[in-house]
Amino acid sequence: QKEVEQNSGPLSVPEGAIASLNCTYSDRGSQSFFWYRQYSGKSPELIMFIYSNGDKEDGRFTAQLNKASQYVSLLIRDSQPSDSATYLCAVNPGNQFYFGTGTSLTVIP
Amino acid sequence: EPEVTQTPSHQVTQMGQEVILRCVPISNHLYFYWYRQILGQKVEFLVSFYNNEISEKSEIFDDQFSVERPDGSNFTLKIRSTKLEDSAMYFCASSEVATTDTQYFGPGTRLTVL
Repeated sequence: QKEVEQNSGPLSVPEGAIASLNCTYSDRGSQSFFWYRQYSGKSPELIMFIYSNGDKEDGRFTAQLNKASQYVSLLIRDSQPSDSATYLCAVNPGNQFYFGTGTSLTVIP
Repeated sequence: EPEVTQTPSHQVTQMGQEVILRCVPISNHLYFYWYRQILGQKVEFLVSFYNNEISEKSEIFDDQFSVERPDGSNFTLKIRSTKLEDSAMYFCASSEVATTDTQYFGPGTRLTVL
């Protein structure tokens, strides 16, 4: 059984702070890793993807991947109230996406 | 910006009835997917489709489910005899190159089985 684990939260941070979201996965053969944001009642919206070990930055978002530790994280700098959503980690070992249950983030103005 | 579209946005049906959920993937994408999300639970993979055939399916995707690409643009999910537990949000997604590629999700169809 391929598992993707996330802290369900809720995670609350004040506006302007850094939010740190974590994800671990069980399948060492996983090749690609994604972070999606999902607002209540809406579909997942891609934030970032990462394929290689290390950090990848896109604006206020940084994804970090450590394949040896089977760990992927998402940092959100200068958090805004509009960042309040559920963040889904998705892992693809080559044939389908496996999603975590998501971490609920609330950014407090 | 190209996007995945889905119809209807909400489908209500009686238990035992057949439903067809429709999706129009992004036009140059080659891989298509269906996922479902039961309220409050995680997004679950159902099936992937490439080159007019199923390439992967999960254990959820049993004989009650089928997929089809009836023409060059639509991609459908049929549930033959709906059960109460089929009530969920169904998302269609597509990717350009391969199953490891970024998948873009449609807005979803909320299926309610009474």
